[in-house]
Amino acid sequence: GQQVMQIPQYQHVQEGEDFTTYCNSSTTLSNIQWYKQRPGGHPVFLIQLVKSGEVKKQKRLTFQFGEAKKNSSLHITATQTTDVGTYFCAGLGGGSQGNLIFGKGTKLSVKP
Amino acid sequence: KAGVTQTPRYLIKTRGQQVTLSCSPISGHRSVSWYQQTPGQGLQFLFEYFSETQRNKGNFPGRFSGRQFSNSRSEMNVSTLELGDSALYLCASSLVLAADTQYFGPGTRLTVL
Repeated sequence: GQQVMQIPQYQHVQEGEDFTTYCNSSTTLSNIQWYKQRPGGHPVFLIQLVKSGEVKKQKRLTFQFGEAKKNSSLHITATQTTDVGTYFCAGLGGGSQGNLIFGKGTKLSVKP
Repeated sequence: KAGVTQTPRYLIKTRGQQVTLSCSPISGHRSVSWYQQTPGQGLQFLFEYFSETQRNKGNFPGRFSGRQFSNSRSEMNVSTLELGDSALYLCASSLVLAADTQYFGPGTRLTVL
C-alpha cells in the first residue's frame, strides 16, 4: 500500500538554527498536509499544499510541494523554543484510499 | 465552536478486557476518523465513519471496531485487549471527507496491564 516516509526521525538544534523535515511518498499525492504536535498535545493542522511546485510561507515556516507531487518539505528559519514538537506530513493518494496517510513524524527539540 | 472532545481521557485496563472510547466531533463535521498513536509506529489510521457508515478502514484486526451515531458522535471498541494495544487513541473530525483538514481531539490514553 501507499507509504509516506519522513526524515529525519529526530532533530536537535540550537535555538536560532534552521530546521528542515522531508516527506516522501511512494505514489503521487493529490495533496499534502502538515501537522504539529506539541509534547503532551494532539496534532494541529498547519497547512495544505495542492499544486505541483507549490511554496507557502507562514512567518518563519516555509512549506514546499515537489514538482512530481511525491515529496514535500517543511523548513523553519531561526528556530525558537516554541517550535518544539513533532511535525507530521500526511498525504492523500489516488485510488480507493480515501483517508490520510501520516508519516511517522520528525521530533524537533530546541536547546535554548 | 467547541473542539473535538474525547472521553475518557485516561483508561487503565487489563488483558482480555474490552474498552469503549467516545468522540464528539466539531459541530457540523460529519466525518470522524480514529487513529492509534504509539512511539514506534506513529499515527496509524484505524477507520473513518461518515453518515453512520464505515467509509475507510485501516489495517487493524477485527478486535477494533467502531460506530457512528446520527448526531455524528462516534465510539470505538477494542475487545480482548492485548498489551500492545496500549496507546494514545486520537479521534479527528472533518467536514465531509476523511482527507479534509483533520481536527484532532485530545485523545484517550489507554494502558493495558
